Amino acid sequence: GAVVSQHPSWVICKSGTSVKIECRSLDFQATTMFWYRQFPKQSLMLMATSNEGSKATYEQGVEKDKFLINHASLTLSTLTVTSAHPEDSSFYICSAIGTDYGYTFGSGTRLTVV
Amino acid sequence: RKEVEQDPGPFNVPEGATVAFNCTYSNSASQSFFWYRQDCRKEPKLLMSVYSSGNEDGRFTAQLNRASQYISLLIRDSKLSDSATYLCVAANQAGTALIFGKGTTLSVSS
Repeated sequence: GAVVSQHPSWVICKSGTSVKIECRSLDFQATTMFWYRQFPKQSLMLMATSNEGSKATYEQGVEKDKFLINHASLTLSTLTVTSAHPEDSSFYICSAIGTDYGYTFGSGTRLTVV
Repeated sequence: RKEVEQDPGPFNVPEGATVAFNCTYSNSASQSFFWYRQDCRKEPKLLMSVYSSGNEDGRFTAQLNRASQYISLLIRDSKLSDSATYLCVAANQAGTALIFGKGTTLSVSS
């Protein structure tokens, strides 16, 4: 079956630093990748949709200059949280879809900003 | 009004119990529906798709009522391992734009 690998699984960083999260489709080419954020006891909220080689489409209220998304290949998308602050602490999850593969989630990244 | 609303939970049931979760969606244009299971601090995993005719997978039965914009999940003979949060999801026809409910937490005890 389709596998999406996400790294790191958890990260603690200091306020003001940047954190990069990687999302890779291991055995299929992902035509589209999605980035979600989930706060405790809340639903997954879509942050942005990215297609390989083009700019990401951000959801309303998500700062594109703060959450940089790069989708340079059909198997890799990265999310960089720039100048992270404690309120950015959350569970970030990527997902990917491919031509023959439905929605597959990565294992998520728990970000804690101190 | 939230796009996908679920029972608030939590549901605390003994092993062997039957439990039902309800969900309503507000976007009548939604075409695809799913139930996902999410364990604590883990990513959601697809439990089952939901079809208008209703579908069953072992102890799990899902129902969809398009007229009422209502989705349900029934779990029979609950197991300890069923303890998790169950997310109701509505999507567009291609299944590329997913809207998640907040989830309902189930705790099965011995």
